[in-house]
Amino acid sequence: QKEVEQNSGPLSVPEGAIASLNCTYSDRVSQSFFWYRQYSGKSPELIMSIYSNGDKEDGRFTAQLNKASQYVSLLIRDSQPSDSATYLCAAGDGTASKLTFGTGTRLQVTL
Amino acid sequence: KAGVTQTPRYLIKTRGQQVTLSCSPISGHRSVSWYQQTPGQGLQFLFEYFSETQRNKGNFPGRFSGRQFSNSRSEMNVSTLELGDSALYLCASSLERAEGQYFGPGTRLTVT
Repeated sequence: QKEVEQNSGPLSVPEGAIASLNCTYSDRVSQSFFWYRQYSGKSPELIMSIYSNGDKEDGRFTAQLNKASQYVSLLIRDSQPSDSATYLCAAGDGTASKLTFGTGTRLQVTL
Repeated sequence: KAGVTQTPRYLIKTRGQQVTLSCSPISGHRSVSWYQQTPGQGLQFLFEYFSETQRNKGNFPGRFSGRQFSNSRSEMNVSTLELGDSALYLCASSLERAEGQYFGPGTRLTVT
């Protein structure tokens, strides 16, 4: 059973702080990894993708991948109240046409 | 570019009935995947179509089926609805060499 594990939270961080979200996966053949943000009542929105070991930065977001440890993380710098949402980690095969999702981490950014 | 569209947005059906949901992918995207999202199970993969062929399938019973048309639009069908089929059904599209899947707004199905 391929699994993606996330802490359900809530993770509470003050405005302006760095939020760190973590994810582990069990299938060693996974090659592609994604972070989605989902606001309550809305559909998931793709925010980051990462395929190689190391860091990938996009604006306030940094995704980190460690395939040896089967670990993916997302850092959100200068957290804003609008970042309050559930963050879903997903792992896919080479084509990433079939994604396995974690249950998500709820992030709360407090004023 | 227009995003992924799904119709209808909301459906209420009775147990035992069948339902068809529709998805139009982002222009140029040939892969369409379907997911079921429930509070208890989260997001679960149903199936994926590429060039009118089912390329991947999740662990759902045969009551769940789908198809894709030559214009990449896709439909999924659920027959003999059960109460447990109540969920948000999400369609996502992507390019062949995926850089991520883009989700539509979903269809909220309620089975009574």
